[in-house]
Amino acid sequence: GESVGLHLPTLSVQEGDNSIINCAYSNSASDYFIWYKQESGKGPQFIIDIRSNMDKRQGQRVTVLLNKTVKHLSLQIAATQPGDSAVYFCAEAKGDSSYKLIFGSGTRLLVRP
Amino acid sequence: SAVISQKPSRDICQRGTSLTIQCQVDSQVTMMFWYRQQPGQSLTLIATANQGSEATYESGFVIDKFPISRPNLTFSTLTVSNMSPEDSSIYLCSGGYEETQYFGPGTRLLVL
Repeated sequence: GESVGLHLPTLSVQEGDNSIINCAYSNSASDYFIWYKQESGKGPQFIIDIRSNMDKRQGQRVTVLLNKTVKHLSLQIAATQPGDSAVYFCAEAKGDSSYKLIFGSGTRLLVRP
Repeated sequence: SAVISQKPSRDICQRGTSLTIQCQVDSQVTMMFWYRQQPGQSLTLIATANQGSEATYESGFVIDKFPISRPNLTFSTLTVSNMSPEDSSIYLCSGGYEETQYFGPGTRLLVL
């Protein structure tokens, strides 16, 4: 079945430090990946995406790295701020015309002041 | 991008009743989806809402329990039918262009 998280791992970082959130995806045929941020009581918010023909993509304070060899995706947040505290989900698209997303189990990021 | 709104934002319902959740997108999107999310867990896809035709359901979800409509490119509804306490969850609508999806704030449902 689809990926459903039963336990949320937590990453605790000091304000101002860099954060790295990791994700292992399941389908070697996936060709599109997205990172979402979900704050308490809100819906997931689009952060950054990357296609499988790229290894790295940068946004404002965020960088996504894709390693297709080991099916691994990471989100790097520079100079982490208290407002970055949230649950982060990676999602993959199967590469077919359904455009469906499969979500990872999520990581909770806690930023210590 | 697309801005997604949902109504109601939350509700408390009695078992055996039905609730219809509305999803409105601020622009014409090609794709709309419905998800369920248990607190502290990931998102599970319920179905793809197809414009003008029957929705495409994922394994474990059926039309009789979760009828979906999508009359146009900006609006969809999800009905949770004959509710039981196990249906208590957060229901999320997404809309977007191919794989790039944007999410609504969710509908928090509690069934007593």
